[in-house]
Amino acid sequence: QLQLVESGSGLVKPSQTLSLTCSVSGASLSSGDYSWTWIRQPPGKGLEWIGYIFHSGSTYYNPPFKSRVTISVDKSKNQFSLKMDSVTAADTAVYFCAKVGGYYDSRYFDPWGQGTLVTVSS
Amino acid sequence: SSVLAQPHSVSVSPGQTATITCGGNDVGSKSVHWYQQKPGQAPLLVVYYDSDRPSGIPERFSGSKSGNTATLTINRVEAGDEADYSCQIWDNTSEHPGVFGGGTKLTVL
Repeated sequence: QLQLVESGSGLVKPSQTLSLTCSVSGASLSSGDYSWTWIRQPPGKGLEWIGYIFHSGSTYYNPPFKSRVTISVDKSKNQFSLKMDSVTAADTAVYFCAKVGGYYDSRYFDPWGQGTLVTVSS
Repeated sequence: SSVLAQPHSVSVSPGQTATITCGGNDVGSKSVHWYQQKPGQAPLLVVYYDSDRPSGIPERFSGSKSGNTATLTINRVEAGDEADYSCQIWDNTSEHPGVFGGGTKLTVL
């Protein structure tokens, strides 16, 4: 059974870098042709897709985040990561990692991790 | 980029039918996926490709689409169905391919 667990810094100062990791169990990032994604949800707001990394290692980012986000994979640890630079209070949110499913023109996200709250505050 | 509109809230009594809509200009031409999100839990895919149900999701959950409106229907609603429900499409022709609706809070009275 595929499971994802997020971890990382829960409190980040403004202008600093947010770093999160998603640990995957039940599937190997080395051998599968899976793609992985990060999604966030600010308090009281809807879900917002950040970007994803293909099994090939190539990435695609939602334009609002493109200039300050990096998604990467560490196959040796069976993890993938999110780094977001220059954070502000508007980046305060619950951050979820998920596996990407579906065809290239109809992607969906399943399963998801439980999410981790990141607060940006001095 | 696509915009998906959902009602802010829906309320139903146990045993009744809940319908949650998701509207947008691209809904008619894209597959719609639905997620259930309970407080403190991971979002759960309940319907994909407009009307398919993942294994383990009760048959009470169904999806449909007409024109530019997709609908999630929950029959014989139970207290445990109380949650936020969000729709999502993927538009691979857009710079913003992954789009979610704002979410609908389902309250079981």
